[in-house]
Amino acid sequence: SQKIEQNSEALNIQEGKTATLTCNYTNYSPAYLQWYRQDPGRGPVFLLLIRENEKEKRKERLKVTFDTTLKQSLFHITASQPADSATYLCALDMSSFNKFYFGSGTKLNVKP
Amino acid sequence: DVKVTQSSRYLVKRTGEKVFLECVQDMDHENMFWYRQDPGLGLRLIYFSYDVKMKEKGDIPEGYSVSREKKERFSLILESASTNQTSMYLCASSPGRENTEAFFGQGTRLTVV
Repeated sequence: SQKIEQNSEALNIQEGKTATLTCNYTNYSPAYLQWYRQDPGRGPVFLLLIRENEKEKRKERLKVTFDTTLKQSLFHITASQPADSATYLCALDMSSFNKFYFGSGTKLNVKP
Repeated sequence: DVKVTQSSRYLVKRTGEKVFLECVQDMDHENMFWYRQDPGLGLRLIYFSYDVKMKEKGDIPEGYSVSREKKERFSLILESASTNQTSMYLCASSPGRENTEAFFGQGTRLTVV
């Protein structure tokens, strides 16, 4: 069965540094991959989508890479700020129906 | 502004009760989802609907059923609530086309006592 793996340990970094989060998947070749942000007690909010034929996607301080050979996506936040502290989730569409499966998320703590 | 609204933010129910969680979206989306989220386990898909009256099981459908009689509304039903169904329940919707994202409700924190 499909597995979507994210580092379950929290990532602690200093303000101003670049945070890098990893999403690995197995047994599937998704056409695209998404990243979401989730704050405590709230639903996830969409951040970025990257297609299988795109190596890299950027949005302001966010950058996502997608390596279909390694079956891995990396999510970068440059010049991180305490307000970036949240849990970040990756998601794959596992069917032609837009049926989304999520990783367990990685909690990012940015310290001032 | 797009909106997915879940009927309750917090809910406390007794073991054995039949529980209804309601979700409404105002974006005319084809697809709707119910997930539960537990610490360390992430979001797990319970049920998915890609059209009115159409549904598919997700990874953990046992103990749950769903109803989608109208496009904008997707209900999750706990037939006989048990304590292991205490969780955060999240509803989401998406347009149903490729390369589109999911929009989530604010979540319902259900406690079964």
